[in-house]
Amino acid sequence: EVQLVESGGGLVQPGGSLRLSCAASGFTFSSYWMHWVRQAPGKGLVWVSRINSDGSSTSYADSVKGRFTISRDNAKNTLYLQMNSLRAEDTAVYYCARGWPLPGYWGQGTLVTVSS
Amino acid sequence: QSVLTQPPSASGTPGQRVTISCSGSSSNIGSNYVYWYQQLPGTAPKLLIYRNNQRPSGVPDRFSGSKSGTSASLAISGLRSEDEADYYCAAWDDSLSGPGVFGGGTKLTVL
Repeated sequence: EVQLVESGGGLVQPGGSLRLSCAASGFTFSSYWMHWVRQAPGKGLVWVSRINSDGSSTSYADSVKGRFTISRDNAKNTLYLQMNSLRAEDTAVYYCARGWPLPGYWGQGTLVTVSS
Repeated sequence: QSVLTQPPSASGTPGQRVTISCSGSSSNIGSNYVYWYQQLPGTAPKLLIYRNNQRPSGVPDRFSGSKSGTSASLAISGLRSEDEADYYCAAWDDSLSGPGVFGGGTKLTVL
């Protein structure tokens, strides 16, 4: 059974950092592109970032470029999102998802709250 | 402001057919596949349609997708109460502003 389990969310102050993780199981992780998509409370889905199967290519939304870094460890079947210089507008549920070129299967998400 | 434009709401009665539109541009829908997602209240999104009109296994054939030029639509026939959810379109975008783009979402109400 395909499983994507996000972790690492929580409350952080503006300007702070957080690293999200997404543990994958039930499929060959190293064969899939992976994505991060976020959803602010009561709002729609916003694509954040993607990484190709071997980690050699990444893309970001303009709103997070230069602040967020996506990476993966195929030996550990884990996807990461390093988030720096966090702002109040980054408050959202963050979903990891697999698929090319867009998400297919999604995890359940982890909530990130940026507030003082 | 979302790159892809969807109506904020739609509604129908059980058994009816409803359609949800998604409008984009030549850099996204006009040149790439369209995807559709269903998000039931309090849950993660689920892939409904990929590559414009393909259904993943397990998705009922009541759901269908189409694309023409820079617009796409999702049709739901034989509407059921359990179809009440938010629906999002998405596409890859060839511009420099960020490859993945979503619509703002359409809340479907089954009356």
